[in-house]
Amino acid sequence: DAGITQSPRYKITETGRQVTLMCHQTWSHSYMFWYRQDLGHGLRLIYYSAAADITDKGEVPDGYVVSRSKTENFPLTLESATRSQTSVYFCASTAYPGGAYEQYFGPGTRLTVT
Amino acid sequence: SQQGEEDPQALSIQEGENATMNCSYKTSINNLQWYRQNSGRGLVHLILIRSNEREKHSGRLRVTLDTSKKSSSLLITASRAADTASYFCATDGEETSGSRLTFGEGTQLTVNP
Repeated sequence: DAGITQSPRYKITETGRQVTLMCHQTWSHSYMFWYRQDLGHGLRLIYYSAAADITDKGEVPDGYVVSRSKTENFPLTLESATRSQTSVYFCASTAYPGGAYEQYFGPGTRLTVT
Repeated sequence: SQQGEEDPQALSIQEGENATMNCSYKTSINNLQWYRQNSGRGLVHLILIRSNEREKHSGRLRVTLDTSKKSSSLLITASRAADTASYFCATDGEETSGSRLTFGEGTQLTVNP
């Protein structure tokens, strides 16, 4: 499938469990991002990556871990899920640096932590 | 912290009317983008305006930027029921680095048939 995909689309997990959300893009974009969107609010940046093996923290990185061994994949791991991490998670990518280029978003993963 | 703040938070209009949404931001920017989000979906890019531009058009969309007031507006003319969505502004600039964008809280637009 062309574009940017996320899996799973829906996930329910228990407090304390480790969860990994997957993101895959087929454009070979250098830049990838993870955002969380809480009900009725905008997006907050969790982590981003400028290239394979280069990642950096965003606005709300605590409790999350990322890796990027391949350009096309950017998994997000919640090491020990908490209820406050219940949210919708969006992955995005863009080809070029700077805010002059649009970001392409995946469909989102709705995560519920019970 | 959110760089952009949209106003109003919610807007309900009738089909055929124009819809105007506003975005204010705190620090100097290089670019401002507008995105649309349909319910349960990811964001879709609508239009980008650079800091040296004052107005930009794309189909039924008109975006203005006033850097002296640190604000932007998105006008959707002749609205349709399909325009029902949340609209977000996103900025780059001093508070961001690289390709990072900072998103506002969004305006929920409802277009009634």
